[in-house]
Amino acid sequence: DQQVKQNSPSLSVQEGRISILNCDYTNSMFDYFLWYKKYPAEGPTFLISISSIKDKNEDGRFTVFLNKSAKHLSLHIVPSQPGDSAVYFCAAISGMDSSYKLIFGSGTRLLVRP
Amino acid sequence: DTGVSQNPRHKITKRGQNVTFRCDPISEHNRLYWYRQTLGQGPEFLTYFQNEAQLEKSRLLSDRFSAERPKGSFSTLEIQRTEQGDSAMYLCASSLMMQGEAFFGQGTRLTVV
Repeated sequence: DQQVKQNSPSLSVQEGRISILNCDYTNSMFDYFLWYKKYPAEGPTFLISISSIKDKNEDGRFTVFLNKSAKHLSLHIVPSQPGDSAVYFCAAISGMDSSYKLIFGSGTRLLVRP
Repeated sequence: DTGVSQNPRHKITKRGQNVTFRCDPISEHNRLYWYRQTLGQGPEFLTYFQNEAQLEKSRLLSDRFSAERPKGSFSTLEIQRTEQGDSAMYLCASSLMMQGEAFFGQGTRLTVV
């Protein structure tokens, strides 16, 4: 039973346009959400996070939006650059779980075309 | 300190052999996590340490798997009597306690033939 779902396995966008990556979750105990980027043969790299007390967090070209009622979050990248081509993972943490372990989605492969 | 370091980067082993992986976390981080990632999936939690204490193990961690973190510094993950289903990327991450962001190493890719 997947608690974090990324329903789009891949996304292709033109350089300079906006990339929107989506993530849905089922566990209402999740209260902290993160996005990681992963290049081939490397470990995931932390990108941006958001607490459930917020609905938006922005860091440069990256913005994460959280809709708690819909149990949905999205990552916006604007403008998209070819170097953004990677697999993006959404992850969630439950504050009730003292381990703070990350529950990951299955990832979305982003291709930014020059 | 350049981040989380994992060794080896790649390991090919014959079925039935034992393998051991090492993880050196970011020095000031007191939490250390092991995850496993298979093709087309996100990383899955295996176990974690707070300092030297192993506080939780996933059901994914069969009896053939053992992890240690002596003195709360580096950690090792050993797989005994490897099976082809153990083939995966094994990822180590570290964080400060009560911090959501975990920082990952480059992983060890295990291939069991």
